[in-house]
Amino acid sequence: DTGVSQDPRHKITKRGQNVTFRCDPISEHNRLYWYRQTLGQGPEFLTYFQNEAQLEKSRLLSDRFSAERPKGSFSTLEIQRTEQGDSAMYLCASSPRTGLNYGYTFGSGTRLTVV
Amino acid sequence: GQQVMQIPQYQHVQEGEDFTTYCNSSTTLSNIQWYKQRPGGHPVFLIQLVKSGEVKKQKRLTFQFGEAKKNSSLHITATQTTDVGTYFCASNTGNQFYFGTGTSLTVIP
Repeated sequence: DTGVSQDPRHKITKRGQNVTFRCDPISEHNRLYWYRQTLGQGPEFLTYFQNEAQLEKSRLLSDRFSAERPKGSFSTLEIQRTEQGDSAMYLCASSPRTGLNYGYTFGSGTRLTVV
Repeated sequence: GQQVMQIPQYQHVQEGEDFTTYCNSSTTLSNIQWYKQRPGGHPVFLIQLVKSGEVKKQKRLTFQFGEAKKNSSLHITATQTTDVGTYFCASNTGNQFYFGTGTSLTVIP
């Protein structure tokens, strides 16, 4: 296990279509996070899982977004009825726990372009 | 919600000059993390500070956490071209995690 894997790396979709992204965290990490990043901005928190439980969801996240982590391992992020404003880099991160020196390990991200 | 502000937004320095980025919050932070993101890359964790007044060093990088735990700084001594990228601070309170707006560093050879 060499890190956090995200698939696909790039996705181009037409407005109104649904898209799903996958994240495979580091296997020993029980915490998984989804972030969204647009050009020139810092990552924006979307949601957080501890094992299979979704413990936090950003108030900024519309009901078109849903995330799952069914077995506490990989996670999926689905966006329904995509809009042009959804175009961004979607980053997944994992960590073993919060505490001293346990930063997030980010994946390379999925770049979504909605046309 | 909690916001972490970073200044400056951009910084251009000659290679060999020092660089500092500052992170400020209106509320007390439980911890502060620093990340580096190379152009076209993803954020990479550098360090976490949790104690009031804490100072940590990583080679040419010095990280400080303010006494009131409302601000932090990252200082790079004698910048190199490999330091190019955007530096973000981040902090969580409970389960909410916030990243600063970042400081984009350009190093001119």
